[in-house]
Amino acid sequence: QVQLVESGGGVVQPGRSLRLSCAASGFTFSSYGMHWVRQAPGKGLEWVVVIWFDGNNNYYSDSVKGRFTISRDNSKNTLYLQMNSLRVEDTAVYYCARAGLSSGWYTFDYWGQGTLVTVSS
Amino acid sequence: QSALTQPPSASGSPGQSVTISCTGTSSDVGGYNYVSWYQQHPGKAPKLMIYEVTKRPSGVPDRFSGSKSGNTASLTVSGLQAEDEADYYCSSYAGSNSVVFGGGTMLTVL
Repeated sequence: QVQLVESGGGVVQPGRSLRLSCAASGFTFSSYGMHWVRQAPGKGLEWVVVIWFDGNNNYYSDSVKGRFTISRDNSKNTLYLQMNSLRVEDTAVYYCARAGLSSGWYTFDYWGQGTLVTVSS
Repeated sequence: QSALTQPPSASGSPGQSVTISCTGTSSDVGGYNYVSWYQQHPGKAPKLMIYEVTKRPSGVPDRFSGSKSGNTASLTVSGLQAEDEADYYCSSYAGSNSVVFGGGTMLTVL
């Protein structure tokens, strides 16, 4: 069965960096695009970024463009999110989600359980 | 990219039907048939319920259905059951390789 397991969250000061990872299993990772979606405490979902199956294309939301970088290692079935210049408003649970194949890359057909990032001084 | 507009809450009694709306613009909901709906129970990850406005992934009960008219998409839950109580989020492709979510609707089964 499809499994997505995020890690790397924690407490970090404003302006610092953090790298999240998402280990995938149960499907052919290299065939699927992947997303990061975040959810601030008590708030709704916010799409962050998508990366194509081969890593050759990625698209960011305006709120993180220039600060966050998505990447993937298909040999390790792992997705990453490098977060730099973190702000208090980046505090959220970060989910990795698989992009749909037949349902389109803009659909999130499986989700991990999330990892909490807290940006605070 | 502005968030899509959903009512904060909705409710219904067991066995009844409830419809949740998701209003956007011609640049997102109205411009593409790429609306999805997600169910999220407290403390859990979201689950895909509907994609491309009306399609259900395998394993999702046919009590869940989707539709769209103009800039507004809707999710209808028929034959409400206690386990349907959750938060529901819509999302839409918003052009320029971006996706936008709604603010979420808390569904209460009375």
